[in-house]
Amino acid sequence: GAGVSQSPSNKVTEKGKDVELRCDPISGHTALYWYRQSLGQGLEFLIYFQGNSAPDKSGLPSDRFSAERTGGSVSTLTIQRTQQEDSAVYLCASSQEAGAFNSNEQFFGPGTRLTVL
Amino acid sequence: GDSVTQMEGPVTLSEEAFLTINCTYTATGYPSLFWYVQYPGEGLQLLLKATKADDKGSNKGFEATYRKETTSFHLEKGSVQVSDSAVYFCALMNSGYSTLTFGKGTMLLVSP
Repeated sequence: GAGVSQSPSNKVTEKGKDVELRCDPISGHTALYWYRQSLGQGLEFLIYFQGNSAPDKSGLPSDRFSAERTGGSVSTLTIQRTQQEDSAVYLCASSQEAGAFNSNEQFFGPGTRLTVL
Repeated sequence: GDSVTQMEGPVTLSEEAFLTINCTYTATGYPSLFWYVQYPGEGLQLLLKATKADDKGSNKGFEATYRKETTSFHLEKGSVQVSDSAVYFCALMNSGYSTLTFGKGTMLLVSP
C-alpha cells in the first residue's frame, strides 16, 4: 500500500479482555514503531523494531503490553487484561531505516482508537 | 531523560494573523528536532525538521530555527489560513536513538 495502515480503526472492549492491534508498514521499511496518544500524556513511545534485531521495549508501560513483528513486516501490539487507563489512540509508524544520524522520516498510520469500558 | 515542552493550547487566531508556537527541549547530546502536524481526522505528518544548530526547517509557509543556546525550536508562520487548523507537535530524536520524544501538542484554531 501507499502508506502505513492500521486495523481496526476503532476498538471497544471490556476491562479485563485482551486486544490485538495490527500495523502494516510501508513496504521495504525496516524500522517500525508503536506510540500511544492519550489525553494528558500526549504521544509516548512504546516499542521499536529494527530489522532482525531485538526490539527496544523500553517504552512499554507494563508487562501486559507486548508486540511482535513477523517476517520483518506486519506487527501486532497485544494488550492483555485491558484496563481503563489503556484507552488511547495507538499509532504505528515506519521508516526506511532507523537512527538519528540521518533523521529518517517516520511515516505514521491513522491509528487505532482503543476504548476500554 | 529527554523531554519537549510546548505552549498549551488552544491557540485561536484570525485568518492572516502571525503564528508562533513555542517549543523548548531538554536533551543530552545533539538531537534532531521536528514539527509534526495532525489535521482533523488524519494521521500525524512531518511538517519540517532541523538536524543541527542554526538550521532552519521550512514547509508550507511554516518555519522553525534550531536554537541550541536557548534549546528552542519555535514554529512560526507569517499568515495563517483556516486550513492550518490542526494539532501541532514538537518532537526530538536524540543522537544514538531512533525514537521520537514528543511534546503534548498545541491545537491551533484559525477562524475566517
